[in-house]
Amino acid sequence: AQTVTQSQPEMSVQEAETVTLSCTYDTSESDYYLFWYKQPPSRQMILVIRQEAYKQQNATENRFSVNFQKAAKSFSLKISDSQLGDAAMYFCAYRSARSGNTPLVFGKGTRLSVIA
Amino acid sequence: NAGVTQTPKFQVLKTGQSMTLQCAQDMNHEYMSWYRQDPGMGLRLIHYSVGAGITDQGEVPNGYNVSRSTTEDFPLRLLSAAPSQTSVYFCASTKVGRNYGYTFGSGTRLTVV
Repeated sequence: AQTVTQSQPEMSVQEAETVTLSCTYDTSESDYYLFWYKQPPSRQMILVIRQEAYKQQNATENRFSVNFQKAAKSFSLKISDSQLGDAAMYFCAYRSARSGNTPLVFGKGTRLSVIA
Repeated sequence: NAGVTQTPKFQVLKTGQSMTLQCAQDMNHEYMSWYRQDPGMGLRLIHYSVGAGITDQGEVPNGYNVSRSTTEDFPLRLLSAAPSQTSVYFCASTKVGRNYGYTFGSGTRLTVV
């Protein structure tokens, strides 16, 4: 079974600075997707960024980018120019690309605080 | 387009009571699932369904039942609530296929006393 590990339960960053959240995963598959979800205090799960394993290029979405290291099974999230609204729980998630039932497997999350 | 709708948003139950958490989606998604979120545990899969009439167990299925009679609806039933089921519950759906992200409902906070 696949597992996702987020080794940083809590992180903090100064407003306007850059922070990197770590995620590692374990799988024997070669084709899969990786995601970062943001959960603000409102509880809503918001997709931040996604990465397809067969794409070597790292995904970027505005201030959010990933460092995808397939051989190392590492998928870190970099947030640039941090804003107060970035304060939230961040979850890393894995999804197999095989056909049929492919549930999301989540890490335990990293709580990010942004200091003004 | 409402997305994924969960009801209720909050619920308090007494031990032994039963209830159904409702989940409906209007995006014609084949795949629907239920997760529970507990502090320090992330989101754990309870049950999922790949289409009407098909359901399967996830990581933590004990104490929960599901059925999928239509594509749109995927209710989660607690037959005899226990304090260990105090949690936040999320319903999520997606299309089966490549590179589709999940759409989540807004969650149900359930407290069992």
